[in-house]
Amino acid sequence: DTEVTQTPKHLVMGMTNKKSLKCEQHMGHRAMYWYKQKAKKPPELMFVYSYEKLSINESVPSRFSPECPNSSLLNLHLHALQPEDSALYLCASSQERLSSGANVLTFGAGSRLTVL
Amino acid sequence: GQNIDQPTEMTATEGAIVQINCTYQTSGFNGLFWYQQHAGEAPTFLSYNVLDGLEEKGRFSSFLSRSKGYSYLLLKELQMKDSASYLCAVTNAGKSTFGDGTTLTVKP
Repeated sequence: DTEVTQTPKHLVMGMTNKKSLKCEQHMGHRAMYWYKQKAKKPPELMFVYSYEKLSINESVPSRFSPECPNSSLLNLHLHALQPEDSALYLCASSQERLSSGANVLTFGAGSRLTVL
Repeated sequence: GQNIDQPTEMTATEGAIVQINCTYQTSGFNGLFWYQQHAGEAPTFLSYNVLDGLEEKGRFSSFLSRSKGYSYLLLKELQMKDSASYLCAVTNAGKSTFGDGTTLTVKP
């Protein structure tokens, strides 16, 4: 299995809703990531989990709350979002480190979020 | 901080060769990666360089010069399906920072 699976593919939510994005991989990768991508822009890093511990938070607002229940699963909990949070949310995974510390990212297909 | 520059758009003809350049100025460096992203899809890994020189993978090759902060992606025997955005990314301490991407259009 060489895939990263994300659900749901599409999500529409109001500003008062609470929802979650889910990500799963079975490649034995020990690092998992959340990226946000706006139209015609590159992916922007949000969070990195390494060995199920949060290792990087790129100053993301607290209305985004990540969770890593185990080494195969990564969630992103959403609450009180704003319309400007509408974007494609990409999950990725990688082996913890190649020999140099550079990691090849395997991306999921993404969850397209619309906040009304 | 990280500063990564790529041309915004390029056009090439089917069957031709195209070179997409990337220059970077970063506070740290572990590797330079190239990803392909078709419209509405997730990025997929193409090639990476950790040391200076050329890495060849089929129709795709990538070159790196760390002293010059420069890389390029070379695509040979272009096909229509190669029309996509090509993202240069620099990785440092577990973080990958992406350039804005180069949109390549392949014409018949």
